Amino acid sequence: DAKTTQPPSMDCAEGRAANLPCNHSTISGNEYVYWYRQIHSQGPQYIIHGLKNNETNEMASLIITEDRKSSTLILPHATLRDTAVYYCIVRVDGEYGNKLVFGAGTILRVKS
Amino acid sequence: DSGVTQTPKHLITATGQRVTLRCSPRSGDLSVYWYQQSLDQGLQFLIQYYNGEERAKGNILERFSAQQFPDLHSELNLSSLELGDSALYFCASSVAIQGTGELFFGEGSRLTVL
Repeated sequence: DAKTTQPPSMDCAEGRAANLPCNHSTISGNEYVYWYRQIHSQGPQYIIHGLKNNETNEMASLIITEDRKSSTLILPHATLRDTAVYYCIVRVDGEYGNKLVFGAGTILRVKS
Repeated sequence: DSGVTQTPKHLITATGQRVTLRCSPRSGDLSVYWYQQSLDQGLQFLIQYYNGEERAKGNILERFSAQQFPDLHSELNLSSLELGDSALYFCASSVAIQGTGELFFGEGSRLTVL
């Protein structure tokens, strides 16, 4: 019951910006968008999250459309170490708790 | 290093057996989450605990159970194991139960059922 859709895979040249799209057309007004990545079988790593404004941190930028139905994660200068599965997630808040529902993610391959 | 510790890292056992996976959250984190990752299912949310109480539940099998102890560590118990239970089991922790805090994941426990 993931609320997001992502392309299954993407390639990016080393040193170039990687732009990973995500659709979340059923997102509710107070639900946040989170991005995580998983390298090989390591634990997922938090990248960034946002509600409706664009966000930037030391790892990436997150651009959320005005209608909030889609977003793009931008890795400004991709390196080989950025090769991973990238998950776009809408956090589901229940009455007493919450959960991140992971979809299939996008396999990003950074090539030299 | 996320600060979340999971043990054991690897575990091999036989069908019908029972195992316990342990998770120590980051210092100060009150909320613990368990996820299962198998090859054909991706990352599946199992259960969330906050300060010792169950708060959210996913598609956790009746053969599986979890608890969070007063010192905030958590255990996931898997019983009557089947071949299909072979997977990576991840624990994650966060400071709050809601709000915008991110989850920090451990490196996982790889369970192989033979």
